Amino acid sequence: QKEVEQNSGPLSVPEGAIASLNCTYSDRGSQSFFWYRQYSGKSPELIMSIYSNGDKEDGRFTAQLNKASQYVSLLIRDSQPSDSATYLCAVSHSGNTPLVFGKGTRLSVIA
Amino acid sequence: NAGVTQTPKFQVLKTGQSMTLQCAQDMNHNSMYWYRQDPGMGLRLIYYSASEGTTDKGEVPNGYNVSRLNKREFSLRLESAAPSQTSVYFCASSTDTQYFGPGTRLTVL
Repeated sequence: QKEVEQNSGPLSVPEGAIASLNCTYSDRGSQSFFWYRQYSGKSPELIMSIYSNGDKEDGRFTAQLNKASQYVSLLIRDSQPSDSATYLCAVSHSGNTPLVFGKGTRLSVIA
Repeated sequence: NAGVTQTPKFQVLKTGQSMTLQCAQDMNHNSMYWYRQDPGMGLRLIYYSASEGTTDKGEVPNGYNVSRLNKREFSLRLESAAPSQTSVYFCASSTDTQYFGPGTRLTVL
């Protein structure tokens, strides 16, 4: 059974702080890793994808991947109240195969 | 570009009724997916289609059937709805990354 684990939260951070979201996965054959953001009542929206070990930065977002530890993280710098949402970690063997999702971490950014 | 579209947005059914959820994408993606999302359970894969003419079961296929009508369209059918199928249903399509439709909120009474 392929599993993706996330802390359900809620994770509360003050506005302007760094939010750190973590994810572990069980399938060592996983090659593609994604972070989605989901606002209440809306569909998941892709934020970041990462395929190789190390860091990948896009604006205020940084994804980190460590395949040896089977660990993926998302850092959000200068957190804003508009970042308050549920963040879903998703993993697959390749980009075109079904994703296995974690249950999501609820982030609350306090103004 | 509409991306991934789903109809209907909301639906209420009585136990035993049937219905088809429609999904279409205009991004020329080969792969399409149906997920359901329940509180505390996350997104779970019902069926997927890697290409036109092929379909495969996901994690929770019981009670559902699918049709990949052509490259653009992938429908999900509930033949005899049950209260346990009350959920939010998302369709997605992909090449390297998956893009989701807006969802269908289904209630089965």
